[in-house]
Amino acid sequence: AQSVTQPDIHITVSEGASLELRCNYSYGATPYLFWYVQSPGQGLQLLLKYFSGDTLVQGIKGFEAEFKRSQSSFNLRKPSVHWSDAAEYFCAVGPPTQAGTALIFGKGTTLSVSS
Amino acid sequence: GAVVSQHPSRVICKSGTSVKIECRSLDFQATTMFWYRQFPKQSLMLMATSNEGSKATYEQGVEKDKFLINHASLTLSTLTVTSAHPEDSSFYICSASSSNTFLMNTEAFFGQGTRLTVV
Repeated sequence: AQSVTQPDIHITVSEGASLELRCNYSYGATPYLFWYVQSPGQGLQLLLKYFSGDTLVQGIKGFEAEFKRSQSSFNLRKPSVHWSDAAEYFCAVGPPTQAGTALIFGKGTTLSVSS
Repeated sequence: GAVVSQHPSRVICKSGTSVKIECRSLDFQATTMFWYRQFPKQSLMLMATSNEGSKATYEQGVEKDKFLINHASLTLSTLTVTSAHPEDSSFYICSASSSNTFLMNTEAFFGQGTRLTVV
């Protein structure tokens, strides 16, 4: 079955510290991979996406993610977290070939930033 | 990037009434639109997929008679929650994709979400 697992429900990091949010997926083929961020009461903002090519992708707000096929992972990283990064983060996968198919989301990881 | 506008952002309605939520793609033609529901502290759960001019495809467990979806044009889809009850209170999010831009490695674009509260 297709699924996305975000093992960490809640993570707290100190401002300025590095961050890594984990994402593992189960899919029949290499899917399209996404990371979204959601602030309270808001919609989703795309941080970055991976379709093919370089397995290290750069996104907005200083985020990056690395696709590791052997581990079926797409972990999100940021070298130095800012207080404004506190939000809910969702990893999602989508089919690589079929347009018009919905994304599958992980349950999300809540990021808290301490001063 | 492409813009999807969802309206209203917040709505409070009385139990038993119906509420319509609109999802518009502002600068592209959305051949497919998706409606998600998000419970507090939960992930997004797909409710239904709609293709322009066709009946929506509902996920298992979603009542099609309660959640009416219309996708009459390439830029507008609506979700109507009929005879709303307090348990329908939730955050509803739409997203839109285009078969054209999909070939260009795009993603589905999301609306801002609608917070529905049924009292």
